[in-house]
Amino acid sequence: GAGVSQSPSNKVTEKGKDVELRCDPISGHTALYWYRQSLGQGLEFLIYFQGNSAPDKSGLPSDRFSAERTGGSVSTLTIQRTQQEDSAVYLCASSLGTGWYEQYFGPGTRLTVT
Amino acid sequence: GNSVTQMEGPVTLSEEAFLTINCTYTATGYPSLFWYVQYPGEGLQLLLKATKADDKGSNKGFEATYRKETTSFHLEKGSVQVSDSAVYFCALRGGGGADGLTFGKGTHLIIQP
Repeated sequence: GAGVSQSPSNKVTEKGKDVELRCDPISGHTALYWYRQSLGQGLEFLIYFQGNSAPDKSGLPSDRFSAERTGGSVSTLTIQRTQQEDSAVYLCASSLGTGWYEQYFGPGTRLTVT
Repeated sequence: GNSVTQMEGPVTLSEEAFLTINCTYTATGYPSLFWYVQYPGEGLQLLLKATKADDKGSNKGFEATYRKETTSFHLEKGSVQVSDSAVYFCALRGGGGADGLTFGKGTHLIIQP
């Protein structure tokens, strides 16, 4: 079946602009996660959604970052007023549930802030 | 909070050599432990996992045992192949932290023919 998809695959933006990154999870997966992969920080957890519960935002690095998940499916990660340090690969993952369920990762969106 | 420490590398080995990549963790409670692999040009994928102490995860000839007494989850393979060249990430989930995965920095493995 279809895996996790993300769009765009690459995004170049100017410092100060807002960007939106999209994630389509595997159908039927109730949990959805966002991570960031950068050279300096490695892989960092940002936020996760489980069903209709309030998201866990404990990993978001600043209030410029936000995410929403509509209808329990598609998710959008928004970065406002982008900075050069936001340049990274943003990964989305989904799973059947929380705990020990396997997380399936998408191919990522490479964000470059110039 | 939770943390994972792994050897960074790059680690360069000859084909058919024995591989060990060390991983230790800090967490409260009883986390689940994972090894993920990222092959060149591909996305992150689960290699193996263990959900409780003394469990052994295995896949594609790789093994790792959940050692609570030493808070470790070392990855081993008896005979590596060139196709094993990739970046390997140790990770944990749960154990008192957020449900998201906490990753180590990753170990770049290079296998030479």
